[in-house]
Amino acid sequence: GIQVEQSPPDLILQEGANSTLRCNFSDSVNNLQWFHQNPWGQLINLFYIPSGTKQNGRLSATTVATERYSLLYISSSQTTDSGVYFCAVDRGYGETSGSRLTFGEGTQLTVNP
Amino acid sequence: DSGVTQTPKHLITATGQRVTLRCSPRSGDLSVYWYQQSLDQGLQFLIQYYNGEERAKGNILERFSAQQFPDLHSELNLSSLELGDSALYFCASSARGGGNTEAFFGQGTRLTVV
Repeated sequence: GIQVEQSPPDLILQEGANSTLRCNFSDSVNNLQWFHQNPWGQLINLFYIPSGTKQNGRLSATTVATERYSLLYISSSQTTDSGVYFCAVDRGYGETSGSRLTFGEGTQLTVNP
Repeated sequence: DSGVTQTPKHLITATGQRVTLRCSPRSGDLSVYWYQQSLDQGLQFLIQYYNGEERAKGNILERFSAQQFPDLHSELNLSSLELGDSALYFCASSARGGGNTEAFFGQGTRLTVV
């Protein structure tokens, strides 16, 4: 199956710092999503970004599908950004073949005040 | 709030027992997915239903089964529970059945088997 690697596994920042999280995947995909898992365990959708660049406030993401990687940028980090960030991909062979997200192991982000 | 509702939020049960987890998808979504998050296995896909029919299957144990009802809600049944089944179980939903569709996750059911 498809492999998803995230780096770094752990990241500790001071409030206000910027960071870049990376997701590499081993095959072509038609779905790539970034999630934030907060300390209560909830998985929050950040971006649906199989290709291109998107921005949402202090967060932005870029996926270069031809080179099989995606980047998540967090600017001016806040303590509430702490948690685990997951990248998940789906190869997807068509509408009738179903869908399954394969998750990376995540990046544990800690933002200190 | 993702719009996906899971109940219960927490469940504690004994080994050998059977439990049922419930999921209501976002309004209008036809696909429902179940995922398991454990410390040693990470987040893993279990099964997908689309408009009442099984569409894709992952590493779901034979002791586990799922179904999607005509009103599109889904249930995941876990039987003969073992200590290793303790995990966070997520339900997700999406509008379509294929891979090029954004999935939204519920808050999860935290299952503890004692």
